[in-house]
Amino acid sequence: NAGVTQTPKFQVLKTGQSMTLQCAQDMNHEYMSWYRQDPGMGLRLIHYSVGAGITDQGEVPNGYNVSRSTTEDFPLRLLSAAPSQTSVYFCASSYSASGGAQYFGAGTRLSVL
Amino acid sequence: ILNVEQSPQSLHVQEGDSTNFTCSFPSSNFYALHWYRWETAKSPEALFVMTLNGDEKKKGRISATLNTKEGYSYLYIKGSQPEDSATYLCAFDNYGQNFVFGPGTRLSVLP
Repeated sequence: NAGVTQTPKFQVLKTGQSMTLQCAQDMNHEYMSWYRQDPGMGLRLIHYSVGAGITDQGEVPNGYNVSRSTTEDFPLRLLSAAPSQTSVYFCASSYSASGGAQYFGAGTRLSVL
Repeated sequence: ILNVEQSPQSLHVQEGDSTNFTCSFPSSNFYALHWYRWETAKSPEALFVMTLNGDEKKKGRISATLNTKEGYSYLYIKGSQPEDSATYLCAFDNYGQNFVFGPGTRLSVLP
């Protein structure tokens, strides 16, 4: 059982470049979310989705875009990378938006130069 | 922005000691309180999901209590072992909104 799979594990970008962080889950979870983790800041929610076709903004959505065309996949797009987006990104899923434990992917470490 | 606080920020204990940490959260619009264990270089893993005031949950040597009226939860570790070293996160689950994580308590258990 793969759980939540994130790719890539590491990425280096130049300022202004765009890229997509991939996230897929095989647990048929409705709720998926993206977090970033910065030193001293804990996990901060970027975007989340309560089901296919439905997405919403979290605490720090600026500079990121998401879509949810299928239950399984929830890609995060960086539109024009900035050094402030250097961070570790985690994707998570749970069976519902509330009350369900979240399952996290292994994380993507992104550096923007 | 909802404020979820955890204390202490970090903690060093000797192997065999028992310890506890606190998570404080808003007492309004509460749905659930989650605890996660996050080992270095790994992903957070769920420990408990607590929904009712007065809830107590236990998994091995780790237990947690919940007070929704005053907005706090305690996580207890009995007889700490080096493998308990990790960051412990709590998350406030605001029904229909989203999760808000606290900054975590980093526990180091010294052999």
